[in-house]
Amino acid sequence: QSVLTQPPSVSGAPGQRVTISCTGSSSNIGAGYDVHWYQQLPGTAPKLLIYGNSNRPSGVPDRFSGSKSGTSASLAISGLQAEDEADYYCQSYDSSLSGSVVFGGGTKLTVL
Amino acid sequence: EVQLVQSGAEVKKPGESLKISCKGSGYSFTSYWIGWVRQMPGKGLEWMGIIYPGDSDTRYSPSFQGQVTISADKSISTAYLQWSSLKASDTAMYYCARLGDVQNWFDPWGQGTLVTVSS
Repeated sequence: QSVLTQPPSVSGAPGQRVTISCTGSSSNIGAGYDVHWYQQLPGTAPKLLIYGNSNRPSGVPDRFSGSKSGTSASLAISGLQAEDEADYYCQSYDSSLSGSVVFGGGTKLTVL
Repeated sequence: EVQLVQSGAEVKKPGESLKISCKGSGYSFTSYWIGWVRQMPGKGLEWMGIIYPGDSDTRYSPSFQGQVTISADKSISTAYLQWSSLKASDTAMYYCARLGDVQNWFDPWGQGTLVTVSS
């Protein structure tokens, strides 16, 4: 049971827009801590996709965007492409446990 | 280029000890945290703990406290994850990753070390 809750799977057709939610609580996202997102392509290490709720590292297409409100955050992917099929994870910090990094359970994106 | 390079895959028997490594390059190793993350087969990412090589401040996830030891040797820019007695349930991919601050993001990530524990 992850501290941050994500849907296990989402899907969309090429060209469509999908969103992945990440729901936390008053001790993590709701306490004002930033949310970060990672993309894990099959058989590879995770890669930073969004940091500080809505910032894209250099090289990440602007089709990927992040937002945060209250105790939740969202990752949106527009103009879906086949290469976007991957697992996506959110991450934040939780003040209820000493020095605690927390991850979401991950969401499998399938491009139909 | 900032890079983390992990040691190679390991195959061990239950009860054996193991120490895997993560070598940083391209940045000041003592100025950033290094975290360890477990990914069991077909499962999600689990944070294990972090270490600040500058002063060896170490923090563990409650789930892994007492189960593993995280250490670092700043003279060779290398962090370690260690088990004293492996179990079959330790079979997983282990990633190290750099963290700017405990509340920040992990970037970059190492390539991963696959640990297989089987009799």
